[in-house]
Amino acid sequence: EDQVTQSPEALRLQEGESSSLNCSYTVSGLRGLFWYRQDPGKGPEFLFTLYSAGEEKEKERLKATLTKKESFLHITAPKPEDSATYLCAVQARANNLFFGTGTRLTVIP
Amino acid sequence: DGGITQSPKYLFRKEGQNVTLSCEQNLNHDAMYWYRQDPGQGLRLIYYSQIVNDFQKGDIAEGYSVSREKKESFPLTVTSAQKNPTAFYLCASSGDSHTGELFFGEGSRLTVL
Repeated sequence: EDQVTQSPEALRLQEGESSSLNCSYTVSGLRGLFWYRQDPGKGPEFLFTLYSAGEEKEKERLKATLTKKESFLHITAPKPEDSATYLCAVQARANNLFFGTGTRLTVIP
Repeated sequence: DGGITQSPKYLFRKEGQNVTLSCEQNLNHDAMYWYRQDPGQGLRLIYYSQIVNDFQKGDIAEGYSVSREKKESFPLTVTSAQKNPTAFYLCASSGDSHTGELFFGEGSRLTVL
């Protein structure tokens, strides 16, 4: 059965304290893995697409990496404005997206 | 500015009433989607449409209905048959139905009293 698990559920960081969020998955035939950012009461905003193991993408303080079993979203020297829920989604052969439950990140000034 | 507009942002209804949530996009995207988001759960697909006048059921279509008469519009009706309609509803679109890169609206929060 296709499954996506994100950890931790919540993460509190001091401003400048780097860390990583995890997205582990089991799908039959991965077509792509996607990271989104969601602010409270808003719709998700697309961040990255990763297609194959070893691939990396960067945007400002965020860097996403992919292995055959999981993806990491690394946050370097986070700022309070990075506080949000980060969602991971995987796309299998059937094209539909499976979303994880998200990691709620709080960056304290 | 291109984007997706959902309305209303907040909606309160009594049990047994049908409600329709609006979703309009000016991105010229062919594919449109409706998701439901509940606390502690991942986004779940309700319906999707790859082209005008065509749509398919997602994972949780029971109690919902949609139409796609225009490329720009994909309204969702939450019927009285939906057992737990209180949720945050998200509309999305993409230029290609095979991609996972979706553009989301701001969402509509429905509360059934």
